[in-house]
Amino acid sequence: ETGVTQTPRHLVMGMTNKKSLKCEQHLGHNAMYWYKQSAKKPLELMFVYSLEERVENNSVPSRFSPECPNSSHLFLHLHTLQPEDSALYLCASSQEPTGQKLFFGSGTQLSVL
Amino acid sequence: GESVGLHLPTLSVQEGDNSIINCAYSNSASDYFIWYKQESGKGPQFIIDIRSNMDKRQGQRVTVLLNKTVKHLSLQIAATQPGDSAVYFCAENIWGNTPLVFGKGTRLSVIA
Repeated sequence: ETGVTQTPRHLVMGMTNKKSLKCEQHLGHNAMYWYKQSAKKPLELMFVYSLEERVENNSVPSRFSPECPNSSHLFLHLHTLQPEDSALYLCASSQEPTGQKLFFGSGTQLSVL
Repeated sequence: GESVGLHLPTLSVQEGDNSIINCAYSNSASDYFIWYKQESGKGPQFIIDIRSNMDKRQGQRVTVLLNKTVKHLSLQIAATQPGDSAVYFCAENIWGNTPLVFGKGTRLSVIA
């Protein structure tokens, strides 16, 4: 275990559904991240939170809405997704927001029908 | 834009042999490099990292080599085992400045 827990592990949703991904870190880190991992593509950084404030948003569509209520929890709210949004969504944490030595969760495999 | 990339998408090695996974980076300002291993169904796991003031760093059965002249990074795995089968990613950034940029990954398959 890496100390970063993601739920659910698998999610199937229709394009009109609203769902949320949850991430919790038990490492006492100050920064949390959402990454998207698609087949045959590099890991894509979506959002970075440092001390519960968003510090980076890599031009992610508004149908993805992050929330960081405290330094241990991170959510990704999903609504009106597209089939091309199907991917593995990974949460990570690190001591500092510049991303050295990220600790990843196991991810949520999302399928949009 | 500039990004980290990998020379080979797949690598097959015999169990017990040494493995070498290569990575090229194009941002000459990068001064921190890191290798991750991702097994099926899991998130990436940290293997080893190196700062640009070093050209070699060793861990348990793994060695990272950094050649700043040609902007090349490699991961060497000694006595490769079936449990080493995974996708390996390199990543780089400017220490304390930018988030990590990941390469596409190399799939290592160990033949028993």
